[in-house]
Amino acid sequence: GENVEQHPSTLSVQEGDSAVIKCTYSDSASNYFPWYKQELGKGPQLIIDIRSNVGEKKDQRIAVTLNKTAKHFSLHITETQPEDSAVYFCAASGNTGGFKTIFGAGTRLFVKA
Amino acid sequence: GAVVSQHPSWVICKSGTSVKIECRSLDFQATTMFWYRQFPKQSLMLMATSNEGSKATYEQGVEKDKFLINHASLTLSTLTVTSAHPEDSSFYICSARDIQKVTEAFFGQGTRLTVV
Repeated sequence: GENVEQHPSTLSVQEGDSAVIKCTYSDSASNYFPWYKQELGKGPQLIIDIRSNVGEKKDQRIAVTLNKTAKHFSLHITETQPEDSAVYFCAASGNTGGFKTIFGAGTRLFVKA
Repeated sequence: GAVVSQHPSWVICKSGTSVKIECRSLDFQATTMFWYRQFPKQSLMLMATSNEGSKATYEQGVEKDKFLINHASLTLSTLTVTSAHPEDSSFYICSARDIQKVTEAFFGQGTRLTVV
């Protein structure tokens, strides 16, 4: 089945700096890659997603890139703010397995003011 | 946007009792809902896939008789933790797939279960 690896597990940046989180996936049939932000005690919130027919997508301070050949995808947050501090999960899903969403291990992001 | 409501948000129960958690899609229809379990500081682990009108598909290692799933309508799935024990204490999260948007899934706010 699908396996998603995520790095780093913890990331600490200064306010205003950029943060990058990287993921790899194993199932070449995966075609949808969402990113979620989870705050303490809450469910995951979708922040951005990318499909396999696109290489890059941007939404204000957040961007995601996808390299299908290498099975890599990354989240980029620019001009980080303290409220960006949370746990971020990458995920992958596709036609196989009934579109199950498989999550990476998560990255705990700390943005220091 | 698509809203998934999960109820209750937290529950405390005694060992040996059963607890039911509801997952509702409020403004869309969901033929498929997923149930996840999350331990502190860990990722979400898929427990089962719930399909409307049919039996749920459980992931390897998940006891189907312990975690009963019912998906009776296009907007409601329930997870019942039967004969709960302290080791069942966890954060349970559901997600629902919009019938109109095959790949996107929307998550509920989660249910914190504590078994004492």
